[in-house]
Amino acid sequence: QKEVEQDPGPLSVPEGAIVSLNCTYSNSAFQYFMWYRQYSRKGPELLMYTYSSGNKEDGRFTAQVDKSSKYISLFIRDSQPSDSATYLCAMNPTWGTDKLIFGTGTRLQVFP
Amino acid sequence: DTGVSQDPRHKITKRGQNVTFRCDPISEHNRLYWYRQTLGQGPEFLTYFQNEAQLEKSRLLSDRFSAERPKGSFSTLEIQRTEQGDSAMYLCASSLGVGNDADTQYFGPGTRLTVL
Repeated sequence: QKEVEQDPGPLSVPEGAIVSLNCTYSNSAFQYFMWYRQYSRKGPELLMYTYSSGNKEDGRFTAQVDKSSKYISLFIRDSQPSDSATYLCAMNPTWGTDKLIFGTGTRLQVFP
Repeated sequence: DTGVSQDPRHKITKRGQNVTFRCDPISEHNRLYWYRQTLGQGPEFLTYFQNEAQLEKSRLLSDRFSAERPKGSFSTLEIQRTEQGDSAMYLCASSLGVGNDADTQYFGPGTRLTVL
C-alpha cells in the first residue's frame, strides 16, 4: 500500500463547477500538506500548503486537512478551463525530513 | 527568470549510454532535491543536498546514478549505462532550508529522458 493515495481521475467538469480533489495517507507523522498543480510536460507548481489540521483559503482555492481521518482535500470554486491540469498532493514526514511524498495526481479537465 | 532551471529539457539516448543533467536552483536556496516522475505517477524522491553535502539518497538511486553539488550552487545528476526503465522526467527542486515555516520546494521544468 502506498503512503499517499490519490484517485488518478480523470475528472471532467463544466466551467463554473466546484471541484473537490482528495488524498488519503497512512503515516500519522505527516504534518505539512501541500497541493501542487502540474500542466502537461511542466514541473509542479505549488498552489497551497497547510500545517496540521484545519482549513486554508486562497482566492478560489481552499485546502482542508483532517488529521484524525488522514484525509486532505482541495476545493476549487468557479472552475475555469485554465484550471485543467494534474493536481498533486504532497506531504512531509516529520519536520526536518524534507523529502516530499506525493500522490499519483488527479487529472482535471474543465470544459467550457 | 529567477526560478529553478534545468538543462537539457529533453534528452534522447541509446541504452547503455551515459547522460548528465544540470539543475540551477533559485539563488540563495541552500537545499536542492532531485525527483523522478514516470507517466501517470507523482514525483518520487531520489536525493537531496544541503549546500554541497548530500544528506539522503533513496533506494531508487541505484549505483548507476550519481549526483553532485560541488560548490553548493548548481547540481548535476549522472546516469551511467542507461536502461529503458530510466526513461522518465527528472525534476529538480530547491528550498531555502531555514526558518520555521514549511520548507517550501520550488520545482524546475524538468528534464525528460527517453532511452531507446
